[in-house]
Order: sequence, then structure tokens, then C-alpha cells
Amino acid sequence: QKEVEQNSGPLSVPEGAIASLNCTYSDRGSQSFFWYRQYSGKSPELIMSIYSNGDKEDGRFTAQLNKASQYVSLLIRDSQPSDSATYLCAVPMYSGGGADGLTFGKGTHLIIQP
Amino acid sequence: DAGVIQSPRHEVTEMGQEVTLRCKPISGHNSLFWYRQTMMRGLELLIYFNNNVPIDDSGMPEDRFSAKMPNASFSTLKIQPSEPRDSAVYFCASRAGQGAPLGEKLFFGSGTQLSVL
Repeated sequence: QKEVEQNSGPLSVPEGAIASLNCTYSDRGSQSFFWYRQYSGKSPELIMSIYSNGDKEDGRFTAQLNKASQYVSLLIRDSQPSDSATYLCAVPMYSGGGADGLTFGKGTHLIIQP
Repeated sequence: DAGVIQSPRHEVTEMGQEVTLRCKPISGHNSLFWYRQTMMRGLELLIYFNNNVPIDDSGMPEDRFSAKMPNASFSTLKIQPSEPRDSAVYFCASRAGQGAPLGEKLFFGSGTQLSVL
């Protein structure tokens, strides 16, 4: 089974700064990558997906993928206290297609300090 | 749509008792997943179904765990007998179908907090 590694944190970032969250994965054949956000006591929700090398931007969020280094990151610009949550990195368990489940990292706990 | 619905939200039981968790996926979704989350192990996939058929149950920890999906709108996860180490949050998630982008998005229910004393 594929492995996904994240620094558990907590990662503390001042309000308005850029938060940088990192994730490495074990299977070089992985094709799809996902970032989920989980507030305390709540369920995970998808915030970003990325499939190609490079950057993908969506509002204040940017996902970065480097398949050669087996590394995916999430940048949050202009961090807000409402961004305080645990961020989970995920990859498909097997083929990389849409037919199987996701393997999740243990998540990085992000704290945005007002 | 009401989203993925799980019941109960909280379950407290004694060791040795049978526990049944329930899930109603989003209408029209053809894949359903059961995950377990703990601080130590994070989110672990227990089992998933495609079109009501179990595809991969390699994550089910032992024979005490079983899951069924008798129709497209209902699934159960049963633990018999329960043990204190089963205490965790159990999430059910559903997915619309195969392929990127929307097909790979998992929609999670609110979870069941299970405590086995």
C-alpha cells in the first residue's frame, strides 16, 4: 500500500502570512493528488486536487506538484484564523485512477495566529 | 442534497457488545467507503464498495469487523464483539464515479464517534 508522509506540526503561522504545507509519497506511479481540510471535530473536505507537475491555483490556495521528487505541497496565501485546521494529503491507493480509495497522510495541524 | 448521512453520531458501549454503524450515501453516487480515524494511525480505509459490491476489504482489521451494502442507498459496518481498541471515529464517504476531476472527490459523512469501555 502506498505511503503518504506529512509533518504533524503544529505549524504556527501569523495571520496574513503564507502557510506552506508539505507532503511526500512513496509510489512514483501516483498520478492524482489531493488536499483535504479537516476542522476539529468535523469531517474532511476536499480543497484542492492536482494531476500535473507544476502549480495549480484556486483563490488563496496553490497546490504544487513535483513528481520527480515525489513531493506535493499546499500554499495558503494571506492566512486567516479560519484556515486553522488539519490538512490531509491523499493519493489513490492503487492504480491512480478513479476506481479505488484514497490513502491519507496523518495530516499537518495548522494554527493561524491573529 | 443532504450529503452523506451517518448514524449514530455517538456510540458508547461496553466491551463485548455488538456495534452497528449506518450510512446513507449521496443519491446517485456509486462508490462507498468506510474509514476509521485515530490520533495514532490517522485515517485508514477499512473497506469500499463499487455499485454495492465489496471491492477491497484488506483494511478490515480482523474478523470481528464486517460490512454490507444491500442496496445503493444503505450500508452498515458491524463490530462483534467490540473491544476498547476499536474506539475511534468511523467515517463513511461516497463518490460519484470514476475518473477525474469530480469522480475522484470523496464526500464524507459527519462520522460516528465510537467509545468502547
